[in-house]
Amino acid sequence: DTGVSQDPRHKITKRGQNVTFRCDPISEHNRLYWYRQTLGQGPEFLTYFQNEAQLEKSRLLSDRFSAERPKGSFSTLEIQRTEQGDSAMYLCASSRLARSSDTQYFGPGTRLTVL
Amino acid sequence: DAKTTQPNSMESNEEEPVHLPCNHSTISGTDYIHWYRQLPSQGPEYVIHGLTSNVNNRMASLAIAEDRKSSTLILHRATLRDAAVYYCILRGGGADGLTFGKGTHLIIQP
Repeated sequence: DTGVSQDPRHKITKRGQNVTFRCDPISEHNRLYWYRQTLGQGPEFLTYFQNEAQLEKSRLLSDRFSAERPKGSFSTLEIQRTEQGDSAMYLCASSRLARSSDTQYFGPGTRLTVL
Repeated sequence: DAKTTQPNSMESNEEEPVHLPCNHSTISGTDYIHWYRQLPSQGPEYVIHGLTSNVNNRMASLAIAEDRKSSTLILHRATLRDAAVYYCILRGGGADGLTFGKGTHLIIQP
């Protein structure tokens, strides 16, 4: 257990529905990252926050995706009008500092299945 | 982040050392070399990182070539619990998201 928690662990939804995932980082960590991982591939970066500010968004993050980190604590990732191609593991990570030497601590992930 | 090249898979026997190679010929002077691993059905887990000198921690050792164009992750005595996908990642500049490749799938035989 890294101290990063994600909820829910599994989500099954029908195409067209909206889903929201939550990530609780390690409490003193300022940086929070979201990644997506499909079967057989490594995780792909989606977006990250420095405290409550969203600093970068990958081109993978379409307009149907939105992420927030109110008050710089937990974060939510919402997917609107889900598509079957959104089926993946969604991973959250946090780190204390904003240096290239810093370590990211990952949560267990939320597995999304879109029927 | 610069690109890394790793073998798709490697196999080793339990209780033997394992050397996992990574090539990163386009590494820049400020890039750190990070290794993460991902056990089945879990999120990635930090293993070790270094810049220029070899590094040791309780999990593994990292040997970095003198020209920094390659590195090797060394597991000194593999156990079945070390079976995982190992990712070699370069990280520099603004400390943004990690760029994972496909990694090396390490298989440990009992």
